[in-house]
This record gives sequence, structure tokens and C-alpha cells, in this order.
Amino acid sequence: AQSVAQPEDQVNVAEGNPLTVKCTYSVSGNPYLFWYVQYPNRGLQFLLKYITGDNLVKGSYGFEAEFNKSQTSFHLKKPSALVSDSALYFCAGVPQDTGRRALTFGSGTRLQVQP
Amino acid sequence: GAGVSQTPSNKVTEKGKYVELRCDPISGHTALYWYRQSLGQGPEFLIYFQGTGAADDSGLPNDRFFAVRPEGSVSTLKIQRTERGDSAVYLCASSKGKSFSSGANVLTFGAGSRLTVL
Repeated sequence: AQSVAQPEDQVNVAEGNPLTVKCTYSVSGNPYLFWYVQYPNRGLQFLLKYITGDNLVKGSYGFEAEFNKSQTSFHLKKPSALVSDSALYFCAGVPQDTGRRALTFGSGTRLQVQP
Repeated sequence: GAGVSQTPSNKVTEKGKYVELRCDPISGHTALYWYRQSLGQGPEFLIYFQGTGAADDSGLPNDRFFAVRPEGSVSTLKIQRTERGDSAVYLCASSKGKSFSSGANVLTFGAGSRLTVL
């Protein structure tokens, strides 16, 4: 069975400071990994995706994530947080090479950026 | 259309009633997914269509849940004999292609249908 864990229910950071939202995964074999963001009353929006190759993935709105196979982690980062980054963030994964398309999502982390 | 459209946005029903939720995917997207998101949780996979056929329905919780996509575009999620535990936001997503190995192939989600069973 596969799982994705987001150990923090909420992350608080001051505007202008770097932010990190943590994600660890347990997926058989190599994973595809994703980050999505959810704003109130809106659908999940894709931020970035790890397929293979470069462990540092750059995505939308200045976000990036680092794939670390030895630590089975895919933490989301941004060098300088904005108040508008405040939202609910979800990490998701699925095994490669299985044909499986069902993403397993973490429980989400609420990011609060204070002015 | 420009995005994934889901109707109704809100549905309140009574325990035991039948409910249909509709999803209109992005034009040209062959893959369609249904997920369920309960309060405070991440989305849980229900079913995945490639074209008209259900390629993976392993996430449907029981036989009260059923989904169709007869013409390979619009999909309807059907819930019979609704229970209070079915209350959740039902999310639909679509994507093009058959594999996540393409960097361009990602799920685009609709805003969801919030179902409340009284």
C-alpha cells in the first residue's frame, strides 16, 4: 500500500521569510510526486511535479520542491513567502511503471503567511 | 471549456435519497477522475475513466456508488441510498494522455460538488 504524509497541519511564516511544507511518501518503486494548492471554494491547482532526473523541481509562483530518495521526501519550498501564498497545500504520489493513475494525497498543510 | 466544470456546486439531500453529480472535463482530455474530499482530509481516489470505460474503479467505497461516461466526455457520479457519511466534496479532474511520464500531463481539478446528507 502506498501513502503520503504531511506531518504538519499548519505552517506559519512571516512574509518575506523562506517557507517549507513537508511531505514524505511510501510508494513502491520510484514515484511520480506532485504538489497542489487549494484556495477556498476553488479547485486544486497544480504547482509542480517530479518525474525523473533533476531532484530539484521548479514550479508555478516561485515554488520549488526537492526530491530526496534516501529520505523519501518531497518538501515544498519558496525563498520568500507572500501573504497571497496562504492556502491549503497537498502533496500526492503514485508509483511509476505500474500504469496506475490513482494519486494518493496527503492530508494537507495549511500555510499561513503573516504580513 | 476552459476548465473542468462541476454541477451542482452544492447539493443538500436527505438520507436514503438518490443523487447525481455531473462533471464536464476540459475539451480533448481523454482521462477523467473522481475524488472525494472529506472535511480536513486530502482527496481520496474513487474512479478513473480512460475514454468511455472505467479503467480503475478500485476506490468506489461500495455498490451504492456508480459512475458513467457514455460518450467519453461528460461523466456522472451516481450515489444511491445516500448516507450521512457520504457528505463530502466530490472532486472531478481531467487530463490528457495516458501516462504521468509526460511533464505536460497533469490533473486539472474542478471546484467540486459539496454534498450534504441530512
